[in-house]
Amino acid sequence: TQLLEQSPQFLSIQEGENLTVYCNSSSVFSSLQWYRQEPGEGPVLLVTVVTGGEVKKLKRLTFQFGDARKDSSLHITAAQPGDTGLYLCAGFMVGNEKLTFGTGTRLTIIP
Amino acid sequence: DTAVSQTPKYLVTQMGNDKSIKCEQNLGHDTMYWYKQDSKKFLKIMFSYNNKELIINETVPNRFSPKSPDKAHLNLHINSLELGDSAVYFCASSRGGRRGAQYFGPGTRLLVL
Repeated sequence: TQLLEQSPQFLSIQEGENLTVYCNSSSVFSSLQWYRQEPGEGPVLLVTVVTGGEVKKLKRLTFQFGDARKDSSLHITAAQPGDTGLYLCAGFMVGNEKLTFGTGTRLTIIP
Repeated sequence: DTAVSQTPKYLVTQMGNDKSIKCEQNLGHDTMYWYKQDSKKFLKIMFSYNNKELIINETVPNRFSPKSPDKAHLNLHINSLELGDSAVYFCASSRGGRRGAQYFGPGTRLLVL
């Protein structure tokens, strides 16, 4: 059992549609990050959320940290082919200095 | 201009061989990491160094030995390679403590035959 479970594992949608990716845990995190990884490259940080209930927007991407700091979501509005990639949530559990990664969501946007 | 670089990008070798992967960062960060990404794309930390000092050492076989000659470099040496070592290995760095944003290299794709 992984500490950070992401759903869905795979998602393929048409350009222009909206989508939400979830990152869930039974543990409390002091902060949580979202990364995007493209084929043949390393993950790139998109956002960090640190406060329960925090919402951050990055253009068409909206990130939310759960009130209890055990979960997070990533919502993409009007998805574009350039959004295609592997989305990874990652967090620091309270009292732990190690960054724990989620199971990943592979997103494909069909033109 | 590359922030975090790794060499080689691809590494194909026979079981039992010893190999090294090099990592360099020019961001001025004081913390560096090695991660392993398996075939299911799950990313897991192996080691972390802060100012050349080992601070995280996950449950990794002692065939894996990191070496940090200075703050900008963190190399990974692997002895007696096994089939199960096949994976993508990522180097990363961060500043201002271990909770800062981590910057990843492009990865080294290791295939053990």
